[in-house]
Amino acid sequence: DAKTTQPPSMDCAEGRAANLPCNHSTISGNEYVYWYRQIHSQGPQYIIHGLKNNETNEMASLIITEDRKSSTLILPHATLRDTAVYYCIVSKGGAQKLVFGQGTRLTINP
Amino acid sequence: DSGVTQTPKHLITATGQRVTLRCSPRSGDLSVYWYQQSLDQGLQFLIQYYNGEERAKGNILERFSAQQFPDLHSELNLSSLELGDSALYFCASSIGLADSSYEQYFGPGTRLTVT
Repeated sequence: DAKTTQPPSMDCAEGRAANLPCNHSTISGNEYVYWYRQIHSQGPQYIIHGLKNNETNEMASLIITEDRKSSTLILPHATLRDTAVYYCIVSKGGAQKLVFGQGTRLTINP
Repeated sequence: DSGVTQTPKHLITATGQRVTLRCSPRSGDLSVYWYQQSLDQGLQFLIQYYNGEERAKGNILERFSAQQFPDLHSELNLSSLELGDSALYFCASSIGLADSSYEQYFGPGTRLTVT
C-alpha cells in the first residue's frame, strides 16, 4: 500500500471550513483514498473515500488532484465535535487491511 | 453507532494469563478485521477473516490467535500476556471481498490492561 504524508496537527476555528491535506505521491491506479477519524479513544470512524473524482457526502468533501498524488479533506463547517485525529489511507479497496499512519490531530477552537 | 459490537469494554488481567475478546460484525458483513492500538505503535492491523476463513495476517504475535464462527462473530485470543500487550483492541467489519471499495466500520474497542 502507498504511504501517505499528513501534517501532525492543525487548528481551525469553529464554523470555518477545515481543510486537511494528504500527500500520496506513490499511489497506484487501482488504489483508493480513504479518510477515517478517531475521536479520543473511540473506534475509528469512516468519513469518505474516492478513486479519481471529487466526492461529497453528509460529513465531508474529498478533493483529489488530477495526478492523484495528493488530496484534501474538507469539513465545511467545523464544530467542536470534529476535534479528532484524521487519517488519510491509501488502499486497494475491497476487503483490504487499513494501514494507519500518524494522522493529523485537528483541533477545533471556539 | 457503527453496528459493530465488542465485549468486554474493559479487561484487567495479570501477566501470563489468557483472555478472549469478542466481536460481532454489522449485519450482513462477512469480513472481520482486528486492530491493536498501543501508545507507542499506533493503530496496527492484526488479522482478517472472511466468512470463517483467515484472509490476511499482519503483525500478530504467535501468542495471539483468532477465529470467525459460522454466525460470523469473531474472537481474538491473547495468551501468555505481557505488560506490552496492554492496548486498545478494535474489531472492524466490511461487506466482504470484491474488487470494489468497501469501507470498514469499527467497534468501540476493548481496553486491555495487563498488570
